[in-house]
Formats: sequence, structure tokens, C-alpha cells
Amino acid sequence: DQQVKQNSPSLSVQEGRISILNCDYTNSMFDYFLWYKKYPAEGPTFLISISSIKDKNEDGRFTVFLNKSAKHLSLHIVPSQPGDSAVYFCASNKGPGNQFYFGTGTSLTVIP
Amino acid sequence: DTAVSQTPKYLVTQMGNDKSIKCEQNLGHDTMYWYKQDSKKFLKIMFSYNNKELIINETVPNRFSPKSPDKAHLNLHINSLELGDSAVYFCASSQAVTYGYTFGSGTRLTVV
Repeated sequence: DQQVKQNSPSLSVQEGRISILNCDYTNSMFDYFLWYKKYPAEGPTFLISISSIKDKNEDGRFTVFLNKSAKHLSLHIVPSQPGDSAVYFCASNKGPGNQFYFGTGTSLTVIP
Repeated sequence: DTAVSQTPKYLVTQMGNDKSIKCEQNLGHDTMYWYKQDSKKFLKIMFSYNNKELIINETVPNRFSPKSPDKAHLNLHINSLELGDSAVYFCASSQAVTYGYTFGSGTRLTVV
């Protein structure tokens, strides 16, 4: 039962433009949401997070938006850079001590 | 200085063999995990240990047995390997009171 879904397996964006990665979840009890970035042959690394009490969190070029009513979150990267090319996973859980559920990832390619 | 290290990085073995994957973290985290990423790129939790105590044991065949000699180590032993066990296995750790994981770089297991 996949509780976190990333329906776009891949995305290509021109350097300097905005990248928008989407994630949907099914469990209304989910309380905390994260985005991870993964390069080939490496483990996922934490990128940015948001808790359910917020609808937006920004960190430099990265912004995560949360729409609780739609059970949807998105990651915006602007401006996109070639080094952003990686697989991006979203993950969420019901709060501290609970396991995270991961999406299947979206492979982002930023074209120079 | 690697925070979460897994060995080996690649493992090719024949069906029916027994193999182990080792994981060590030097972050002082209380909780360690094993995740399996299958061919569909789905990251699914297998086990979670908190201070050497098993706290999550998802539906995983009995052939998989985690062992935690201390809170810095969580090894995964697999008996009677099957073709379907081929996947990338990620170890991760987290501090109980904080969010997010630190992942190892993964072990690609191929059963032939």
C-alpha cells in the first residue's frame, strides 16, 4: 500500500528555469514531510522539510509547499542548476518516532 | 569521515547462499533502519532498531535477520538468498527526537 506517491518518474528543465516536483499522500494522519535528493551510487540526503502546521518552507533556492486539504506537496527549485540533476524523493510520517513512507522518486535533469 | 557507512557496496551471490551487510553510524544516533529499494524504486522500511531494541519489523521473510550489537551498528543477515532479494539495501540512522534520516550509500545486492 503506497501511501506516498510521486506520479512523475522524470522531469527535464532548462537551466535557470523553475523545477516543480510533486508528491501526493493518502494518510491524513501524516504530520511531517521531507524531500530527499539522491545522486547515483549514493544514499538519499535530506534537502528540506515542512510540518503540517505550515504551508510553505523556504531554504535558499528550494521551497516546499504543502496543501493539506489536497494531500499534496511540491518542491520548487528556482533557478534550477545542472548540479540539481538527481532523483528527488518525498517522504512523510505521523510524527516523531514513526516510520517514514517514501515515494518512488522523480528523476530531475537540468539541461545546461 | 562517513556518517553512515555500509559494506559491501556491491554484492553478487548465488541463490541459496547466506550473506551479511554491515552498517555503522558515527553520529551518536539512537535509531537505525534498514530500507529496501526494489526495481520499481520504491523505498520500503524493513527494520528499525532503537538503542539495540527492535521497534519496527515490517512484513519481511524470516530469512532476513537484523542484528544490533550496539547502537552504532545494525547488520543485516540474509539466509537462503532468492532471486527476488536482488535490490539496493539502504541503512539509515536518526536521532529519536529529531526528524529525518541520514542514509548510507546503499548496498546493491544481485542474486544470480
